[in-house]
Amino acid sequence: QQQVKQSPQSLIVQKGGISIINCAYENTAFDYFPWYQQFPGKGPALLIAIRPDVSEKKEGRFTISFNKSAKQFSLHIMDSQPGDSATYFCAATTSNTGKLIFGQGTTLQVKP
Amino acid sequence: DTGVSQDPRHKITKRGQNVTFRCDPISEHNRLYWYRQTLGQGPEFLTYFQNEAQLEKSRLLSDRFSAERPKGSFSTLEIQRTEQGDSAMYLCASSFPPAGTGLEQYFGPGTRLTVT
Repeated sequence: QQQVKQSPQSLIVQKGGISIINCAYENTAFDYFPWYQQFPGKGPALLIAIRPDVSEKKEGRFTISFNKSAKQFSLHIMDSQPGDSATYFCAATTSNTGKLIFGQGTTLQVKP
Repeated sequence: DTGVSQDPRHKITKRGQNVTFRCDPISEHNRLYWYRQTLGQGPEFLTYFQNEAQLEKSRLLSDRFSAERPKGSFSTLEIQRTEQGDSAMYLCASSFPPAGTGLEQYFGPGTRLTVT
């Protein structure tokens, strides 16, 4: 029940295209859902996050869509750029502890 | 630089040796988290502190692992009698619950441990 399942494992997108990564969770107590970007040899960097009281949040080229009834959320990267090539992790947590449960990661390659 | 810092960045040790890692959180962040990340996987929660109190430890944290945050500022993670299975990236993150949603966690660059 603590798992967060992420797909796809890897993704190749052409420059200018839309990258879509999906996550699903089971624990209905989760109330905060962040996305992190990680480059090789670096720590994860917080990209964008959402609470379950909204269905969508947009920051620049990054959008989270959230479906509470389906217990799913996704990251959309618009106008994908080669610099977006990295590993992306979704995560979930409950407000009382903040401990993050991460998905397995998606390696994104944006081709020029 | 006001981000989370970790030291050392890399550590190579022989099996059976003890190692200690340090994490300095963002100033005034009262929550501090430790995670472990193995190659190709997402980070896994190990433990967290609110100020100097250690509030939760994962079952992943065997009795060879101990973490402290003595003055509610920096934290140390010690691994005794290291095993090859301990080879991983050890990540530290901090957050400040009264700010924003209180749940934004900012990660350090990690300490890469290799046990030979």
